[in-house]
Formats: sequence, structure tokens, C-alpha cells
Amino acid sequence: SQQGEEDPQALSIQEGENATMNCSYKTSINNLQWYRQNSGRGLVHLILIRSNEREKHSGRLRVTLDTSKKSSSLLITASRAADTASYFCATEGANYRDDKIIFGKGTRLHILP
Amino acid sequence: EPEVTQTPSHQVTQMGQEVILRCVPISNHLYFYWYRQILGQKVEFLVSFYNNEISEKSEIFDDQFSVERPDGSNFTLKIRSTKLEDSAMYFCASDRRGLGANVLTFGAGSRLTVL
Repeated sequence: SQQGEEDPQALSIQEGENATMNCSYKTSINNLQWYRQNSGRGLVHLILIRSNEREKHSGRLRVTLDTSKKSSSLLITASRAADTASYFCATEGANYRDDKIIFGKGTRLHILP
Repeated sequence: EPEVTQTPSHQVTQMGQEVILRCVPISNHLYFYWYRQILGQKVEFLVSFYNNEISEKSEIFDDQFSVERPDGSNFTLKIRSTKLEDSAMYFCASDRRGLGANVLTFGAGSRLTVL
């Protein structure tokens, strides 16, 4: 299974601090994506990093990918209360017969005022 | 901004009853998916659909489940005889498979409660 596994499962930090979440996966991938889910809502795509990329930025988001370790990290800088949500990494398999997107278990991020 | 629309937002049903969950994907998207999320747990892949047929399905997607795109607009998930363990949020997603990568746009979900 290519399933990603995030850690930590839950993270509470003070507003203004940086939040780092990690993801590990098992098989070869085309790309790795991060999604956000507010409580009881659908998932929203945040950022995609391809297997030949090592780092990508989007606003306050920074994603890294280490394909040798099969791991990725998502950094949210200068966190805000509105960043409180669950964050999921998702991988797209490299095998053309298995290109569905598989999600990890997620990290619940709570930003304290 | 284009959205994926799901109905109903919440359905309560008795065990053994049939349920149909409906989705209207984004109009120029070609690939459609159903995922489910049992409360507070991981988002699980159920099935992907392309060119009017299932392209992949998971072990969860057994004979009790079926999908259909009856009219070129709606994309439905049917559960023939619901079980208690089918209680979950069901998310529809679509993607346009542009630039060689799948980026999913999700609907807000349909909460299914089986009593």
C-alpha cells in the first residue's frame, strides 16, 4: 500500500509559531500532496510536490520531499487561529495502473490564541 | 470558483435499506472518485470512475456498492443494503487530470447514519 502516515497525530501550538507536520509513505510515487480539512467539511487541496522536486513554497506553506526516505514535511509559518484544521498528506502512485490518490490518517492542528 | 456538489448533506437510514448518494462533479472534469471517512479517522479510497466505467476500486467497495453516471452530470454511489459500519462521511471528488497530476476537488460530503 502506498498509504501515507502523518505524525504527529495531533499538534497544539501558540498563534504565531510555526507548525511542522511529517508524512511517510511506502511505495514509489508520482507526486505527494497536502490537503486541509476543517471539521466536518470536505478536503481542500493545498500544495503538490512532484517526485523530482525537493522543496516547494506557497504563501506561508513550505513542503519538502525526500524520496530516498519516502517522507515529506509540511511547514506552516506564522500560524493563525484559522489554520486550525486536520492536515492530510496524499500520494499518487507511480504505477500507471495504480494512480489513485491515497490519504494518510492526518494531523489535527490546533492553534491556541 | 467551480464546486463539487453533494446531496444529501445528511441521511439517516435503517440497516438493510438502500441508499443513493449524489454528486455533481465539476463540469470539465473527467475523473470521479468516492472516498469515505469514518468519524475522526482516515480518508479511505472507495472507487475511481473514468470514461463511464470503474477504473479502480478498493477492498471496501464490495458487491453492496455501485456507482453510476446516469446522465452525464450526476455521479451516484449506491449502497444496496446498508450495514451499521457503513455509517461515515462519504466524499465525492473530481479532477481534470491536467499537467500529469491528479489534484482532487472535493465536495462537502454526505453524512450517512445507519441505525
